[in-house]
Amino acid sequence: SQKIEQNSEALNIQEGKTATLTCNYTNYSPAYLQWYRQDPGRGPVFLLLIRENEKEKRKERLKVTFDTTLKQSLFHITASQPADSATYLCALASQAGTALIFGKGTTLSVSS
Amino acid sequence: EADIYQTPRYLVIGTGKKITLECSQTMGHDKMYWYQQDPGMELHLIHYSYGVNSTEKGDLSSESTVSRIRTEHFPLTLESARPSHTSQYLCASSELSGRTLAGETQYFGPGTRLLVL
Repeated sequence: SQKIEQNSEALNIQEGKTATLTCNYTNYSPAYLQWYRQDPGRGPVFLLLIRENEKEKRKERLKVTFDTTLKQSLFHITASQPADSATYLCALASQAGTALIFGKGTTLSVSS
Repeated sequence: EADIYQTPRYLVIGTGKKITLECSQTMGHDKMYWYQQDPGMELHLIHYSYGVNSTEKGDLSSESTVSRIRTEHFPLTLESARPSHTSQYLCASSELSGRTLAGETQYFGPGTRLLVL
């Protein structure tokens, strides 16, 4: 069955550094991959979508890469700020294309 | 900020009670979803709808039911709440062309945190 794995531990970094979060998937070849941000007690908020034929996508301080050979996506936040502290979720469309499958997320904590 | 609303935000209720969680969106989206999420865990899809009069069960088995009588409204009902139903319930919507989710951005509501005693 399809499986998504994100950094299992929380990621703690200092303000100004680059945060790198990992999303690995198995038993599947998704056409798209999405990243969401979730704050405690709130619903996820869409950040970026990357297609299988795109190697990299950027939005302001965010960068996502998609390596279909390694079955991995990397999510980077440059010049991180305490306001970036949240849980970041990776999501893929299911094999049948009828649902999004979410990873457990990686909790990022940026200290000043 | 997404125009999707959920009520109540928090609900504490006794075992055996019937409850309805409300979800509405003003974006005119055809596709709507209900997810269940426990602390530190993945979101699990429990129901979705392609549009009015369409409802489908998601990957996670759930004793809840849904209805879609109006495009903007997608309520979830539990006929008899049990402690095992304690969780956070998240509603979402997306635009839909065709019947696949690939590439669709989902817009989430703030969630309803349910506690069944």
